[in-house]
Amino acid sequence: AQRVTQPEKLLSVFKGAPVELKCNYSYSGSPELFWYVQYSRQRLQLLLRHISRESIKGFTADLNKGETSFHLKKPFAQEEDSAMYYCALGGQGAQKLVFGQGTRLTINP
Amino acid sequence: GAVVSQHPSWVICKSGTSVKIECRSLDFQATTMFWYRQFPKQSLMLMATSNEGSKATYEQGVEKDKFLINHASLTLSTLTVTSAHPEDSSFYICSARGSGTGYTFGSGTRLTVV
Repeated sequence: AQRVTQPEKLLSVFKGAPVELKCNYSYSGSPELFWYVQYSRQRLQLLLRHISRESIKGFTADLNKGETSFHLKKPFAQEEDSAMYYCALGGQGAQKLVFGQGTRLTINP
Repeated sequence: GAVVSQHPSWVICKSGTSVKIECRSLDFQATTMFWYRQFPKQSLMLMATSNEGSKATYEQGVEKDKFLINHASLTLSTLTVTSAHPEDSSFYICSARGSGTGYTFGSGTRLTVV
């Protein structure tokens, strides 16, 4: 079964501080990991996917298969980063995408 | 890029009536579509997965007779909430995936049953 765990429901940091949102997964197949962001009153947006290994808005995430983790990191948080962040797990082909419970990130000025 | 259009964006209906929500892939062929439900301040809960031309696969605990899913073409899937009740009020989101595309989400439909 596919399972995603985001242990922190709420995370609050000061502007300019580093941010790390944790995500752990459980999946027997070859995983595809994603981070999605949902700003207030907006639709879900793709932030990162592990396959592309790119940095978006200063965020990066590395897939660690040994620890089954895909933590999201940013070295210097900005106020506009305040949003709901969801880690999601899919699989190859048409596999379903399962979401973690989400972490609400608040950046304090 | 891949675009998914979901309609309507919001709907209010009377208890006991049925409501249909459409999800269209505008610039790609969606071989698989997914329907999610999101309660306030909660995560997206997968309801069902549908492949074009096949019956949908429902997640455990989701009533297939209440939430009818049709995926008759490669660009359209519909979710019909039958005999809606106030507890069905929620935010419904579709997602589509095609060959070579990732998971693309619609903007969601807020259903309120009064």
